[in-house]
Amino acid sequence: EDQVTQSPEALRLQEGESSSLNCSYTVSGLRGLFWYRQDPGKGPEFLFTLYSAGEEKEKERLKATLTKKESFLHITAPKPEDSATYLCAAYSGGSNYKLTFGKGTLLTVNP
Amino acid sequence: EAQVTQNPRYLITVTGKKLTVTCSQNMNHEYMSWYRQDPGLGLRQIYYSMNVEVTDKGDVPEGYKVSRKEKRNFPLILESPSPNQTSLYFCASSPAVYSNQPQHFGDGTRLSIL
Repeated sequence: EDQVTQSPEALRLQEGESSSLNCSYTVSGLRGLFWYRQDPGKGPEFLFTLYSAGEEKEKERLKATLTKKESFLHITAPKPEDSATYLCAAYSGGSNYKLTFGKGTLLTVNP
Repeated sequence: EAQVTQNPRYLITVTGKKLTVTCSQNMNHEYMSWYRQDPGLGLRQIYYSMNVEVTDKGDVPEGYKVSRKEKRNFPLILESPSPNQTSLYFCASSPAVYSNQPQHFGDGTRLSIL
C-alpha cells in the first residue's frame, strides 16, 4: 500500500528564517510527486510536480527536490504570506489515478 | 477562469435526509474525483470518474454515490447521511487519466450531519 509521510506536522518560523519540509514516500513505481499549498477554507492549490529523482523545481521562495525516497520543499527567506498547510501527494500510476496524500505540514511564518 | 466549482460551500443537515453536493469544472477535463478531508487522516479518495458514464470506488466509498452524465459535472450523493460523514469534501479534476498531470481542486464543501 502506498504511503506518504510528512514532517514536521507543524513548523513555526520567523520571517526570513529559511527551512525545509520533508515528504517521505513508499510507493511502487512513482509516476509523480505533487506539492500543494492549502489555505484555511480553501482547496489545495497546485505548486509543483516532480517526476524523477534528482529533479528540482522552483517558484519564488519555494524549491522542491526529489530523491528516490523523499521530497523536500525548501522555503528561502519566508514571508508571513507563505503561512499555509503544505501537502505532498504521490501518484503511482494506478488505474484509479489516486493521489496518496500526506497529512500535511502547517507552516506559520511570524513577522 | 479555469476552475472547479462546488456547491454548497457549507451545509448543516440531519441524519437520513438525502443531500447532493454538486461539482462542475470548466476545463474539459476527463478525470474527476471526490475526496474527504478529516483531521489527522488527511485527504482520502471517495469516488472517481475517468470519463462520462465511467465511475469507480476510491478508498472510502461507503455511504456515498456518484454519477457522471456530463463531462463537466460530477455530483456526490449522500442517500442517508450519518454523523460520521461530517467532513470537509473536495472535488478535483485532471486533464486525463494515466497521466501525471496535477489535479485541480475546488474550494471545498463543509458538511455537518447532526
